[in-house]
Amino acid sequence: QSALTQPPSASGSPGQSVTISCTGTSSDVGGYNYVSWYQQHPGKAPKLIIYEVSKRPSGVPGRFSGSKSGNTASLTVSGLQAEDEADYFCSSYAGSNTLVFGGGTKLTVL
Amino acid sequence: EVQLLESGGGLVQPGGSLRLSCAASGLSFSNYAMSWVRQVPGKGLEWVSGISGGGADTYYADSVKGRFSISRDNSKNTLYLQMSGLRAEDTAVYYCAKVPSYYDILTVDYWGQGTPVTVSS
Repeated sequence: QSALTQPPSASGSPGQSVTISCTGTSSDVGGYNYVSWYQQHPGKAPKLIIYEVSKRPSGVPGRFSGSKSGNTASLTVSGLQAEDEADYFCSSYAGSNTLVFGGGTKLTVL
Repeated sequence: EVQLLESGGGLVQPGGSLRLSCAASGLSFSNYAMSWVRQVPGKGLEWVSGISGGGADTYYADSVKGRFSISRDNSKNTLYLQMSGLRAEDTAVYYCAKVPSYYDILTVDYWGQGTPVTVSS
């Protein structure tokens, strides 16, 4: 049950695109199409923005997209906006009804 | 609207016990599995435990197995986490989270606001 690996920080200017990676193993990210992404603003609870690798819950802007290749999943935020500045966490199903999360990435909008 | 409200956090000495509760509303509680996830302030998230909709099946992270116990009372729409043998490394904000299915804990979709637990002498 080792944590998924995310870069500690990412940044971009308004209007640009930023991609955040989430690396696991064949026992989690690479083994299942159950990667989720969460957005967390300071002092707030996490909010689900991507599930099953690339699906968006109702109400989440289309600027957020997800993908996966092998043991690495990615979250892309296109057309960056000031309100996108937050921490982003990935999670993956890890078998036997357990989940594993990433360490989080702080996204800064310059 | 799904609402999850945790309570029961606080300061406890190493080796002590604490029971967290999570009151759920805005959903058919018994239809969904639930989980506890914790976060050390300024750090990442860690999945702690999960329970099926009916409560018969429970799951734990290796880091808490044998010390924590998850349960639920569907008549009260409430989830619990009984924590014993607490250690300093259990210090975190504990979130209650809803799973979007009855049994398979593949992700969580709604979160509570969290309750802080501090283990210190």
